[in-house]
Amino acid sequence: EVQLVQSGAEVKKPGESLKISCKGSGYSFTNYWIGWVRQMPGKGLEWMGIIYPSDSDTRYSPSFQGQVTISADKSISTAYLQWSSLKASDSAMYYCARLTAWLRFPFDYWGRGTLVTVSS
Amino acid sequence: EIVLTQSPGTLSLSPGERATLSCRAGQSVSRSNLAWYQEKPGQPPRLLIYGASSRATGIPDRFSGSGSGTDFTLTISRLEPEDFAVYSCQQYGSSPPTFGQGTKLEIK
Repeated sequence: EVQLVQSGAEVKKPGESLKISCKGSGYSFTNYWIGWVRQMPGKGLEWMGIIYPSDSDTRYSPSFQGQVTISADKSISTAYLQWSSLKASDSAMYYCARLTAWLRFPFDYWGRGTLVTVSS
Repeated sequence: EIVLTQSPGTLSLSPGERATLSCRAGQSVSRSNLAWYQEKPGQPPRLLIYGASSRATGIPDRFSGSGSGTDFTLTISRLEPEDFAVYSCQQYGSSPPTFGQGTKLEIK
C-alpha cells in the first residue's frame, strides 16, 4: 500500500527555521516525484514544487522559488520542505504528494498534511 | 502561469440530484492534462479524474469529467451523502501546475 507519512504539526515564531518531512513507503521511492502543496486557512491548493529523489532534480513554482527549499534523502525514502526564516504568512497546511511524471500526471497519493503555525 | 477559475463558488443540491461543476482555464490546457480532486475536512485531497476524463483507481462511475482546451466539467450523476465536499481542478500540463480556487458542494 502506498503511504506518505508526514511529520507532525509545528508551532514556530517568526524568523525561526523549520524542516518538515514526508516519508514514502509501499512503492519505489526513487521512481516517482514528490511534491509539496500549500493550503492556507480557508483557501485553495497551491503547487509549490517537486523533487525527483533519484537525482534530486527539483522544480519550483515561481511563487515559492527562493522562499522554501525542497530536498530528499533517498536512503530513507524521505522528502523535506524547509524554511530558513518563517513568516506569519507561512502559516498553512502543507501536503506532500506523489507524482508519476512531470507535466504528464497529477498527484495520485497524498500525505495527511503538516499544519504549520507561525505566531509570535 | 495558467489561471483556473471554477464556478460556481458554492453549489447547493440534494442527494440524488446531478451536480455540474465548471473549471475554465485562462489559456489552453496542454494535452487535456486536467485533474479533479475532492477535499474533505481533515483528509488529504483525493484524485478523482485525470486527463480531463479518466477516472482514478477506485472512483465510482457516478463521477465523470469532460472538456478540452479551456473549458472542463466535472459531473456527479447522482449525489450520495458522502459527495458533499470541496472540488478543485488542477492543470498539470504547463509549468507551473496550478489549481482552481475550488467549488463547495453543499447539502441543500
